[in-house]
Amino acid sequence: SQTIHQWPATLVQPVGSPLSLECTVEGTSNPNLYWYRQAAGRGLQLLFYSVGIGQISSEVPQNLSASRPQDRQFILSSKKLLLSDSGFYLCAWTSGRAKINTGELFFGEGSRLTVL
Amino acid sequence: EDKVVQSPLSLVVHEGDTVTLNCSYEVTNFRSLLWYKQEKKAPTFLFMLTSSGIEKKSGRLSSILDKKELFSILNITATQTGDSAVYLCAVDDYKLSFGAGTTVTVRA
Repeated sequence: SQTIHQWPATLVQPVGSPLSLECTVEGTSNPNLYWYRQAAGRGLQLLFYSVGIGQISSEVPQNLSASRPQDRQFILSSKKLLLSDSGFYLCAWTSGRAKINTGELFFGEGSRLTVL
Repeated sequence: EDKVVQSPLSLVVHEGDTVTLNCSYEVTNFRSLLWYKQEKKAPTFLFMLTSSGIEKKSGRLSSILDKKELFSILNITATQTGDSAVYLCAVDDYKLSFGAGTTVTVRA
Protein backbone atom coordinates (compact mmCIF):
# COMPACT_ATOMS: atom_id res chain seq x y z
CA SER A 1 0.00 0.00 0.00
CA GLN A 2 1.03 3.56 -0.54
CA THR A 3 2.21 5.76 2.30
CA ILE A 4 3.40 9.33 2.52
CA HIS A 5 5.84 10.62 5.10
CA GLN A 6 6.42 14.25 5.91
CA TRP A 7 8.85 15.78 8.42
CA PRO A 8 9.51 17.52 10.66
CA ALA A 9 6.06 17.63 12.23
CA THR A 10 6.68 20.91 13.99
CA LEU A 11 9.42 23.49 13.96
CA VAL A 12 10.06 26.95 15.29
CA GLN A 13 12.49 29.04 13.29
CA PRO A 14 13.78 32.61 13.61
CA VAL A 15 13.18 35.13 10.85
CA GLY A 16 15.94 34.95 8.27
CA SER A 17 16.82 31.32 8.93
CA PRO A 18 16.65 28.62 6.23
CA LEU A 19 13.94 26.00 5.91
CA SER A 20 13.78 22.48 4.61
CA LEU A 21 10.65 20.33 4.76
CA GLU A 22 10.85 16.88 3.29
CA CYS A 23 8.21 14.54 1.91
CA THR A 24 8.57 11.01 0.59
CA VAL A 25 6.04 8.63 -0.90
CA GLU A 26 6.29 4.85 -0.77
CA GLY A 27 4.45 2.14 -2.65
CA THR A 28 3.92 3.97 -5.92
CA SER A 29 6.01 5.24 -8.78
CA ASN A 30 5.92 8.46 -10.75
CA PRO A 31 3.41 10.19 -8.46
CA ASN A 32 2.28 13.78 -8.90
CA LEU A 33 3.48 15.63 -5.80
CA TYR A 34 2.15 18.79 -4.19
CA TRP A 35 2.95 21.27 -1.45
CA TYR A 36 0.03 23.11 0.15
CA ARG A 37 -0.03 25.72 2.88
CA GLN A 38 -2.99 26.09 5.19
CA ALA A 39 -3.53 29.37 6.96
CA ALA A 40 -6.38 29.92 9.39
CA GLY A 41 -9.60 30.70 7.52
CA ARG A 42 -7.92 30.45 4.12
CA GLY A 43 -8.27 26.80 3.24
CA LEU A 44 -5.45 25.04 1.44
CA GLN A 45 -3.30 27.11 -0.89
CA LEU A 46 -1.39 25.23 -3.57
CA LEU A 47 2.27 26.30 -3.52
CA PHE A 48 4.04 23.89 -5.86
CA TYR A 49 3.34 20.76 -7.82
CA SER A 50 5.54 18.34 -9.69
CA VAL A 51 4.75 15.74 -12.34
CA GLY A 52 8.28 14.32 -12.50
CA ILE A 53 11.88 14.54 -11.33
CA GLY A 54 13.19 18.06 -11.66
CA GLN A 55 9.82 19.37 -12.89
CA ILE A 56 8.41 22.00 -10.56
CA SER A 57 5.49 24.34 -11.15
CA SER A 58 4.97 27.28 -8.84
CA GLU A 59 1.49 28.58 -8.22
CA VAL A 60 2.21 31.74 -6.29
CA PRO A 61 5.20 34.07 -6.13
CA GLN A 62 6.76 33.75 -2.71
CA ASN A 63 9.75 33.26 -0.54
CA LEU A 64 9.74 29.49 -0.95
CA SER A 65 11.10 27.02 -3.48
CA ALA A 66 10.60 23.32 -4.14
CA SER A 67 12.74 20.57 -5.56
CA ARG A 68 12.21 16.97 -6.59
CA PRO A 69 15.59 15.26 -6.60
CA GLN A 70 14.13 11.75 -6.76
CA ASP A 71 10.90 10.28 -8.09
CA ARG A 72 9.25 9.97 -4.71
CA GLN A 73 10.89 12.83 -2.82
CA PHE A 74 9.64 16.40 -2.66
CA ILE A 75 11.39 19.13 -0.70
CA LEU A 76 10.14 22.57 0.29
CA SER A 77 12.84 25.12 1.06
CA SER A 78 13.55 28.70 1.89
CA LYS A 79 16.85 30.53 2.17
CA LYS A 80 15.49 33.18 4.54
CA LEU A 81 12.20 32.74 6.34
CA LEU A 82 9.72 35.57 6.80
CA LEU A 83 7.13 35.93 9.53
CA SER A 84 4.46 35.43 6.88
CA ASP A 85 5.83 31.96 6.11
CA SER A 86 4.31 30.64 9.34
CA GLY A 87 1.60 28.08 8.71
CA PHE A 88 0.68 24.46 8.32
CA TYR A 89 2.35 22.83 5.32
CA LEU A 90 0.93 19.72 3.74
CA CYS A 91 2.54 17.46 1.20
CA ALA A 92 0.25 15.38 -0.99
CA TRP A 93 0.33 12.99 -3.94
CA THR A 94 -1.93 11.67 -6.66
CA SER A 95 -1.48 8.91 -9.16
CA GLY A 96 0.98 9.83 -11.86
CA ARG A 97 -0.89 7.96 -14.57
CA ALA A 98 -2.52 11.25 -15.48
CA LYS A 99 -0.12 14.10 -16.06
CA ILE A 100 -2.51 16.57 -14.57
CA ASN A 101 -4.03 16.88 -11.15
CA THR A 102 -7.05 14.68 -10.96
CA GLY A 103 -8.97 12.77 -8.39
CA GLU A 104 -8.23 12.05 -4.81
CA LEU A 105 -5.28 13.66 -3.05
CA PHE A 106 -3.45 11.70 -0.37
CA PHE A 107 -1.98 13.94 2.29
CA GLY A 108 0.96 13.68 4.65
CA GLU A 109 0.53 14.49 8.31
CA GLY A 110 1.65 18.08 7.87
CA SER A 111 4.40 20.31 9.23
CA ARG A 112 3.54 23.22 11.48
CA LEU A 113 6.02 26.04 11.02
CA THR A 114 6.23 28.99 13.37
CA VAL A 115 8.55 31.81 12.38
CA LEU A 116 9.46 34.15 15.24
CA GLU B 1 -10.13 35.69 -6.49
CA ASP B 2 -12.13 33.04 -4.62
CA LYS B 3 -12.96 30.16 -6.89
CA VAL B 4 -14.38 27.93 -4.18
CA VAL B 5 -16.58 29.37 -1.44
CA GLN B 6 -17.82 27.34 1.49
CA SER B 7 -20.58 28.28 3.90
CA PRO B 8 -21.09 28.58 6.73
CA LEU B 9 -17.56 29.12 7.98
CA SER B 10 -18.45 27.44 11.24
CA LEU B 11 -21.39 25.98 13.10
CA VAL B 12 -22.16 24.32 16.41
CA VAL B 13 -24.78 21.60 16.71
CA HIS B 14 -25.89 19.00 19.22
CA GLU B 15 -25.58 15.27 18.82
CA GLY B 16 -28.37 13.90 16.69
CA ASP B 17 -28.80 17.08 14.64
CA THR B 18 -28.50 17.17 10.86
CA VAL B 19 -25.88 19.39 9.26
CA THR B 20 -25.82 20.76 5.72
CA LEU B 21 -22.62 22.26 4.36
CA ASN B 22 -22.46 24.28 1.16
CA CYS B 23 -19.79 24.67 -1.47
CA SER B 24 -20.14 26.95 -4.49
CA TYR B 25 -17.54 27.27 -7.19
CA GLU B 26 -16.61 29.17 -10.29
CA VAL B 27 -14.04 27.54 -12.54
CA THR B 28 -13.47 27.29 -16.26
CA ASN B 29 -12.65 23.62 -16.80
CA PHE B 30 -14.57 21.74 -14.16
CA ARG B 31 -13.59 18.11 -13.81
CA SER B 32 -14.74 17.08 -10.34
CA LEU B 33 -15.55 18.31 -6.85
CA LEU B 34 -14.12 16.64 -3.79
CA TRP B 35 -14.98 16.73 -0.09
CA TYR B 36 -12.42 16.13 2.65
CA LYS B 37 -12.62 15.89 6.44
CA GLN B 38 -9.79 17.36 8.48
CA GLU B 39 -9.71 16.55 12.18
CA LYS B 40 -6.25 17.41 13.39
CA LYS B 41 -3.67 17.10 10.69
CA ALA B 42 -4.04 15.45 7.30
CA PRO B 43 -7.36 15.82 5.44
CA THR B 44 -9.03 12.53 4.65
CA PHE B 45 -11.03 11.94 1.51
CA LEU B 46 -14.81 11.67 1.70
CA PHE B 47 -16.33 11.97 -1.76
CA MET B 48 -15.57 12.83 -5.36
CA LEU B 49 -18.46 14.10 -7.47
CA THR B 50 -18.40 14.44 -11.22
CA SER B 51 -22.04 14.21 -12.32
CA SER B 52 -25.02 16.37 -11.39
CA GLY B 53 -27.85 14.95 -9.37
CA ILE B 54 -26.21 11.69 -8.35
CA GLU B 55 -26.00 11.40 -4.59
CA LYS B 56 -22.93 9.83 -3.08
CA LYS B 57 -23.49 8.22 0.29
CA SER B 58 -21.26 6.82 3.00
CA GLY B 59 -22.96 5.95 6.25
CA ARG B 60 -24.45 9.11 7.69
CA LEU B 61 -22.70 11.34 5.15
CA SER B 62 -24.04 12.15 1.73
CA SER B 63 -23.22 14.64 -0.96
CA ILE B 64 -24.66 15.86 -4.21
CA LEU B 65 -23.49 18.12 -7.02
CA ASP B 66 -25.40 20.64 -9.13
CA LYS B 67 -23.28 21.54 -12.16
CA LYS B 68 -25.85 23.95 -13.52
CA GLU B 69 -25.99 26.08 -10.37
CA LEU B 70 -22.32 25.36 -9.58
CA PHE B 71 -22.62 24.09 -6.05
CA SER B 72 -22.47 21.01 -3.90
CA ILE B 73 -23.82 20.15 -0.48
CA LEU B 74 -22.56 17.76 2.14
CA ASN B 75 -25.10 16.38 4.59
CA ILE B 76 -24.36 14.74 7.89
CA THR B 77 -27.34 13.13 9.63
CA ALA B 78 -27.59 12.02 13.26
CA THR B 79 -24.36 13.86 14.07
CA GLN B 80 -21.95 12.48 16.64
CA THR B 81 -19.12 14.17 18.51
CA GLY B 82 -16.69 12.34 16.21
CA ASP B 83 -18.04 14.35 13.31
CA SER B 84 -16.44 17.47 14.77
CA ALA B 85 -13.89 18.57 12.18
CA VAL B 86 -13.14 21.01 9.41
CA TYR B 87 -14.84 19.97 6.18
CA LEU B 88 -13.02 21.06 3.04
CA CYS B 89 -14.42 21.33 -0.45
CA ALA B 90 -12.06 21.26 -3.43
CA VAL B 91 -12.66 21.69 -7.14
CA ASP B 92 -10.51 20.02 -9.76
CA ASP B 93 -10.04 22.25 -12.79
CA TYR B 94 -6.75 20.61 -13.67
CA LYS B 95 -5.52 21.82 -10.28
CA LEU B 96 -7.24 21.30 -6.97
CA SER B 97 -8.51 24.57 -5.50
CA PHE B 98 -9.76 24.42 -1.94
CA GLY B 99 -12.34 26.45 -0.11
CA ALA B 100 -11.67 27.89 3.34
CA GLY B 101 -13.50 25.04 5.01
CA THR B 102 -16.42 24.77 7.41
CA THR B 103 -15.65 24.05 11.05
CA VAL B 104 -18.29 21.78 12.53
CA THR B 105 -18.50 21.35 16.30
CA VAL B 106 -20.86 18.68 17.63
CA ARG B 107 -21.68 19.00 21.33
CA ALA B 108 -22.75 16.01 23.40
